[in-house]
Amino acid sequence: GEDVEQSLFLSVREGDSSVINCTYTDSSSTYLYWYKQEPGAGLQLLTYIFSNMDMKQDQRLTVLLNKKDKHLSLRIADTQTGDSAIYFCAESPGGGKLIFGQGTELSVKP
Amino acid sequence: DAGVIQSPRHEVTEMGQEVTLRCKPISGHDYLFWYRQTMMRGLELLIYFNNNVPIDDSGMPEDRFSAKMPNASFSTLKIQPSEPRDSAVYFCASTLGGIGHTFGSGTRLTVV
Repeated sequence: GEDVEQSLFLSVREGDSSVINCTYTDSSSTYLYWYKQEPGAGLQLLTYIFSNMDMKQDQRLTVLLNKKDKHLSLRIADTQTGDSAIYFCAESPGGGKLIFGQGTELSVKP
Repeated sequence: DAGVIQSPRHEVTEMGQEVTLRCKPISGHDYLFWYRQTMMRGLELLIYFNNNVPIDDSGMPEDRFSAKMPNASFSTLKIQPSEPRDSAVYFCASTLGGIGHTFGSGTRLTVV
């Protein structure tokens, strides 16, 4: 079946690194995604990783993929208060659709 | 590029009334998706289209929900009759080739 699991909350101090974890079930997913949702807004694509990669870095964002364990993580370096939001992991089981996790609410304290 | 445009942003309606949500995808995108977001159930895929043809409507909760895509630049999601449990934020998203989604700002529906 298709299922994506995330922890619901994460709290960090400004300047620290944040690591948001996700597990997925569909091993055939070609791409795995991270989205960010700010209050009252739609989801914004942050980054994605192709399934044959282990790591992708994009400025302060680092995505790690462990295909064996079906584990995806998003690391945000030097976390800022503006990073406070809900972060969604998504798998792509095929046909263009995405299956989203429940979202992790990141709270950044000054 | 104006992005994915949804209307209205907010809708308050009485139980039993018909509700129509609208979406204009990004020009050139060939996939369009309708999602519903609630606190209890998270983000659920309702239906999606490829080249204006419905591909998978298995997420549509019941027959009260219907969606159409008459052309490449417009889609509607209709609820008739509406019920309080339909209250949610409804998102439309589009993509080219099925890689990544661009989301609209959503329609917050409240059924009283």
